[in-house]
Amino acid sequence: GENVEQHPSTLSVQEGDSAVIKCTYSDSASNYFPWYKQELGKGPQLIIDIRSNVGEKKDQRIAVTLNKTAKHFSLHITETQPEDSAVYFCAARKGDSGTYKYIFGTGTRLKVLA
Amino acid sequence: DAGVIQSPRHEVTEMGQEVTLRCKPISGHNSLFWYRQTMMRGLELLIYFNNNVPIDDSGMPEDRFSAKMPNASFSTLKIQPSEPRDSAVYFCASRIPYGRTESSGANVLTFGAGSRLTVL
Repeated sequence: GENVEQHPSTLSVQEGDSAVIKCTYSDSASNYFPWYKQELGKGPQLIIDIRSNVGEKKDQRIAVTLNKTAKHFSLHITETQPEDSAVYFCAARKGDSGTYKYIFGTGTRLKVLA
Repeated sequence: DAGVIQSPRHEVTEMGQEVTLRCKPISGHNSLFWYRQTMMRGLELLIYFNNNVPIDDSGMPEDRFSAKMPNASFSTLKIQPSEPRDSAVYFCASRIPYGRTESSGANVLTFGAGSRLTVL
């Protein structure tokens, strides 16, 4: 089955700096890769996603890149702000039918230092 | 929409007791997922349902765990008997039916706020 590895487990950056979180997946059939942000005491929320037919996607200060050959994808946050402090999860999903599952990485705790 | 509703938010119980966690998915969503979150293993998929039917329960750790979805608006995750190593935050998530356009959020999992379980 699919296995998703995520690094680093914790990341501290100064406010205004960039943050990069990396994930690798094992199943080459996976075709959808979302990123979720979890704030304290809440459930994860989708912040950006990318499909396997796209190499990069941006949404304001966040971007995701995908390298299908190497089976890895990354989240980039620029100009970090204190409100970016949270736990971030990457995930991989296989299939386009109704029977599929989302496998998550182990999470990255990001701290943005003011 | 109130989102995905989970109860209880916090549960403290003693080893050996039965625990039942409840989930109400978003109306109109037909896929429901149960995840367990721990520091060491992150978000682990336990089981997921499509149209109230269990599709994959390979993540259920052992026979002490069971999940049901008797109708489209309700699901339970039961642990009997509970053990200290079951202590974790349990999340329920739902998704709109496959076939909707991507622009309508067809790929998005919407999570509940979680149920924090502590087994003493």
